[in-house]
Amino acid sequence: DTGVSQDPRHKITKRGQNVTFRCDPISEHNRLYWYRQTLGQGPEFLTYFQNEAQLEKSRLLSDRFSAERPKGSFSTLEIQRTEQGDSAMYLCASSLGLAAYNEQFFGPGTRLTVL
Amino acid sequence: LAKTTQPISMDSYEGQEVNITCSHNNIATNDYITWYQQFPSQGPRFIIQGYKTKVTNEVASLFIPADRKSSTLSLPRVSLSDTAVYYCLVGDLQESGAGSYQLTFGKGTKLSVIP
Repeated sequence: DTGVSQDPRHKITKRGQNVTFRCDPISEHNRLYWYRQTLGQGPEFLTYFQNEAQLEKSRLLSDRFSAERPKGSFSTLEIQRTEQGDSAMYLCASSLGLAAYNEQFFGPGTRLTVL
Repeated sequence: LAKTTQPISMDSYEGQEVNITCSHNNIATNDYITWYQQFPSQGPRFIIQGYKTKVTNEVASLFIPADRKSSTLSLPRVSLSDTAVYYCLVGDLQESGAGSYQLTFGKGTKLSVIP
């Protein structure tokens, strides 16, 4: 247990539905990251927050994706109008410091299956 | 960002020492070398990080030659529980470093430990 929790652990949804995932980072960590991982691939960066500010978004993050981190605490990732290609493991990580290569602590992930 | 190349897979028997080499020919002066481990259905876990020569912790050793164009992760006396994917990443620890907002994972090396 790294201290980063994600909820739910598994989500099955039908194409076109909206889904929301939650990440609770280690409390004193100022950075929070979202990644997506498909089978056989390494995690791919989606977006990150420094405290409550969303500072960078990958081009992988289409307009259907939105993320928030109110008050610099927990974060949510919402996917609207899900597509089958959104099926993946969604990972959250947090770190202390100002650079990505400071040690990141990953949560267990949320596995999304879009039918 | 420096591109990394590592073997897709490796097999080892229990009790043996395992060395996984990663090539990063275009590593930049400010880049550090970081290794993460990922078990199935879990998020990656930070193992070790170094800049030059040798770094050792309770889990592994990291050997970095003087030219820093490659690095070797050494796992002593592996057990079945070391079966995982190991990722080599290269990046800048400074806040303003190129790509400082994300970790860039490749496909990693899938290590299988055989009884």
